Order: sequence, then C-alpha cells, then structure tokens
Amino acid sequence: SQTIHQWPATLVQPVGSPLSLECTVEGTSNPNLYWYRQAAGRGLQLLFYSVGIGQISSEVPQNLSASRPQDRQFILSSKKLLLSDSGFYLCAWSVPTPAGNTIYFGEGSWLTVV
Amino acid sequence: AQSVTQPDIHITVSEGASLELRCNYSYGATPYLFWYVQSPGQGLQLLLKYFSGDTLVQGIKGFEAEFKRSQSSFNLRKPSVHWSDAAEYFCAVGAQTGGGNKLTFGTGTQLKVEL
Repeated sequence: SQTIHQWPATLVQPVGSPLSLECTVEGTSNPNLYWYRQAAGRGLQLLFYSVGIGQISSEVPQNLSASRPQDRQFILSSKKLLLSDSGFYLCAWSVPTPAGNTIYFGEGSWLTVV
Repeated sequence: AQSVTQPDIHITVSEGASLELRCNYSYGATPYLFWYVQSPGQGLQLLLKYFSGDTLVQGIKGFEAEFKRSQSSFNLRKPSVHWSDAAEYFCAVGAQTGGGNKLTFGTGTQLKVEL
C-alpha cells in the first residue's frame, strides 16, 4: 500500500532563516505531488504541484519554492522566512486513473515563524 | 475558476442525532467532488469521493454524500453521529488540469458533538 511521510512535524524558525520541508511517497510510481498550506482559521491553499521530476507549477507568488529531485520526493523551501509563512503545510500525492484522480494527504508540518 | 462554499462554519449536534453538512460548488464541467475530515493537528483523511455514476456515494465511518447537479451541491450526511466524529470537515472540487488534479477546498465546517 502507499504511504506518505512528511517531516519535520513541527518547526519553529526565526524570521529570515531558511526552510526545508521534505515529503516522500512510498508504494507508487510517477505520482503527482502537491504542497498545500492551511493558515489558522482558513481553508487549504494549493502552493505547488508537480507531475514529474523537475516539473513544478506554482499556484501563487510567494516567498516559497518547491523542488522534485526524485520521483517520489518533494521539497518545500524558503531562503528567508517571513512571519506570514507560519501555518500548517500539507504534502499530498495522487495517481491519475481513467476513472479519476484522488489526492491523499500526509500528516502535515506545523511551521511557526517567530 | 472553480470554487466551493461551505456555508456553515460551526455545527453542533447531539450524539446519536443525524448530521448534514452542506457544500455547494461552482465548476464549468462535471466535477470531481470530495469530502475530507481533519482532526486537530492532523492531516486530511478522505471520507468519500464522487467521479461519476451513482449520485449517492458511500464513504468510511458511515458517511454518505449525494451529488445534485441541479443544485450544484454535494452534501455530507450521517444518520447517527458519534462523539468521535467531532472534527473539521472539508469539501473539495477537483479539476483535471495539465495532467494533474488540483483541488479547491471550502473553508471547512467545524463539527462539535455534545454528549
């Protein structure tokens, strides 16, 4: 069966420091990968998605970037964090089928920028 | 552009009572529709999904949802709520774009269950 791992689970970082959140998927090949952010009291916002190695689509301009160095690895980064980057970050994966495309989420990473 | 509206921010029900969470969507074609549940500090768990076919779909934990195209709705129901159902529920609509599937989420409904 497929599993998704996301780390670290919790992170407290000072303003201006770098960020790296990592996500890996096991038990599947060529997944679509996604990064979502959930700010306090708000819904989920799609930040990035990837349909293959090195292929990244950005949904909103921001202080963050994403990379996919391997088929089942997705990394969210920032060179200099802002206070507004605080939130709950969720990695997700899906494998398109003719019948449809279901997205499955990891456990999330809490980021607090202080 | 697609959008999802969950008009109820908070809902409180008594344990054993029935539940209906509302979801309305806007999408130009046949949508893919989903309900997810999120416990505090956790990721999202898929409850059920609609792609095509029977408009009444069954999910996990005794939940069901009905797709009504004429009303652009996909309401979630459960006949008898358990205290463990207390969580936040998100409705989402999916679009096939460029080989990926981007979900647009509603802002969620927080469910409280009174014992």
